[in-house]
Amino acid sequence: DAKTTQPPSMDCAEGRAANLPCNHSTISGNEYVYWYRQIHSQGPQYIIHGLKNNETNEMASLIITEDRKSSTLILPHATLRDTAVYYCIVRVGFGTALIFGKGTTLSVSS
Amino acid sequence: SAVISQKPSRDICQRGTSLTIQCQVDSQVTMMFWYRQQPGQSLTLIATANQGSEATYESGFVIDKFPISRPNLTFSTLTVSNMSPEDSSIYLCSVDLQGSGRGETQYFGPGTRLLVL
Repeated sequence: DAKTTQPPSMDCAEGRAANLPCNHSTISGNEYVYWYRQIHSQGPQYIIHGLKNNETNEMASLIITEDRKSSTLILPHATLRDTAVYYCIVRVGFGTALIFGKGTTLSVSS
Repeated sequence: SAVISQKPSRDICQRGTSLTIQCQVDSQVTMMFWYRQQPGQSLTLIATANQGSEATYESGFVIDKFPISRPNLTFSTLTVSNMSPEDSSIYLCSVDLQGSGRGETQYFGPGTRLLVL
């Protein structure tokens, strides 16, 4: 079973920041937090991952709380093309499968 | 990131028949993963395929129904056998690769959309 809990859906206005929360209260010390998104039944797309420090790349920022029990994915300037299902996943690392929960459906509107 | 391709991209099949899905990666990888996504659902892991050994299946999936081959480090096939309409899903393969930033990241193929009539 998935070790994460996410809201089923969120709305965001185009151009605004989208903040997607994720709870992973049972995360182990050696587990990373990964974020993926799936646009209209395409293969899931990797966004970002982190262990305990906040991370930023060209797509998004990942904020992990100090106790590592929750995290937030931030899309700084959402566009219509960011409409997708976003999955927050915890896993130990290389060589282990991803266990997907239900994810959050983000709808970006103009 | 690596290029991962799947064939066919989609197919419509009759019940009782079998379909073999191919997954090709443009670099050598130790493990390949196969997932199923039923309509309106999230992804479910079917099995993990190591080169040179038998695939490891998740609960609810059996080798007779979903035989997997892994003949080399860049290729794998998943067969959906004796299909029924309940097998209508998107089937995806994925691999772990060194990410562009830090550590390893799992990348997915584009998926094979299967409709069983």
